[in-house]
Amino acid sequence: DVVMTQSPLSLPVTLGQPASISCRSSQSLVYSDGNTYLNWFQQRPGQSPRRLIYKVSNRDSGVPDRFSGSGSGTDFTLKISRVEAEDVGVYYCMQGTHWPPGLTFGGGTKVEIK
Amino acid sequence: QVQLVQSGAEVKKPGASVKVSCKASGYTFTSYGISWVRQAPGQGLEWMGWISAYNGNTNYAQKLQGRVTMTTDTSTSTAYMELRSLRSDDTAVYYCARDSWNDPSDLDYWGQGTLVTVSS
Repeated sequence: DVVMTQSPLSLPVTLGQPASISCRSSQSLVYSDGNTYLNWFQQRPGQSPRRLIYKVSNRDSGVPDRFSGSGSGTDFTLKISRVEAEDVGVYYCMQGTHWPPGLTFGGGTKVEIK
Repeated sequence: QVQLVQSGAEVKKPGASVKVSCKASGYTFTSYGISWVRQAPGQGLEWMGWISAYNGNTNYAQKLQGRVTMTTDTSTSTAYMELRSLRSDDTAVYYCARDSWNDPSDLDYWGQGTLVTVSS
């Protein structure tokens, strides 16, 4: 199975400062159709996950433009340009390219305010 | 607006089965699929499998093969996930998420989650 590795595990950030989360896959996530199925999810405390970014860099409707996704092949990044208090939570990357066997998530990165 | 409303919390004994429902609204149910994802206490997300509401095709995570069955009832726009031979490490919050009709990759809307506790 494809292994998704996120870093760091924990990310203390000062309000208004940028934050960056890395996600690396054990295999290229480029699918035969040319798309790269790499999504990012946010899970606030006590809430269900929410998709922020799909196919590497496409923001979902209603997602603030301070969130951006980038990367290619096996290396991907989620950036928050200026962290706000509501951004506290755990962020997960997920690959949907290698199916079967199926979707795999990164271990998560906990964003907290310093 | 798209909504996925799941059934309530369950407490089960080891060896029993549980069936969680996920009722969809706000979109054409048969044009999409449903993935199921679980999260053990304090842990990350684990994909369990996917079912197409369009044609009934399924794909299950290898570690759950033989213990999980996913179905849909298109007349009520409801998806179901049944897990059998429950063990203590199946204790988790179970989520349904809307997915693509032809393969699991999207997970664009999520249900509120259903806590399943397995305890003797």
